Amino acid sequence: EPEVTQTPSHQVTQMGQEVILRCVPISNHLYFYWYRQILGQKVEFLVSFYNNEISEKSEIFDDQFSVERPDGSNFTLKIRSTKLEDSAMYFCASSEIGYNEQFFGPGTRLTVL
Amino acid sequence: DAKTTQPPSMDCAEGRAANLPCNHSTISGNEYVYWYRQIHSQGPQYIIHGLKNNETNEMASLIITEDRKSSTLILPHATLRDTAVYYCIVRPLIYNQGGKLIFGQGTELSVKP
Repeated sequence: EPEVTQTPSHQVTQMGQEVILRCVPISNHLYFYWYRQILGQKVEFLVSFYNNEISEKSEIFDDQFSVERPDGSNFTLKIRSTKLEDSAMYFCASSEIGYNEQFFGPGTRLTVL
Repeated sequence: DAKTTQPPSMDCAEGRAANLPCNHSTISGNEYVYWYRQIHSQGPQYIIHGLKNNETNEMASLIITEDRKSSTLILPHATLRDTAVYYCIVRPLIYNQGGKLIFGQGTELSVKP
């Protein structure tokens, strides 16, 4: 069964450093998403992406964040200058068309020291 | 904020049916009810969705009241592996538009032997 994959599973970085989280969505999916979950808190929407552009973003997704689909398979989330409060689990998701169910990856745990 | 209300926790005996309620009294006519679950910090997993008719798939059944103000997710024969946080989410289903999921706190279901 096709699945969303994410790398790395765990990333540790120093405050102020740039990080790139990578995702490989399911191959025939057209919509891509990033969510995050701070430990003990609820899952929060960050951004959705379709047709090589952002279709929606939340207040969390400020200028420090960017997304890119550099090739036909990868979907990345970049945080330019990490803060302590960026420590969270980051989930990538994809869906076949906009209103179908979203399939989530296993997540990347980001720890900012 | 999430437009749904769920009990924070529930217990269920293994092999019995788990009935998880959700209140969505402000649901709009074009909004669907979606259920996802999250097993111990893994990525959320889609379970089922519906508009007004009852729905069933291999995982669960969804019962939506006639006035659509509440619904119940039914896991017919709960197993220990069904222990998870279950999220009830309402969102519009608009063709060809990526739709964010807004997660609440969900119901933490504990299936006990």
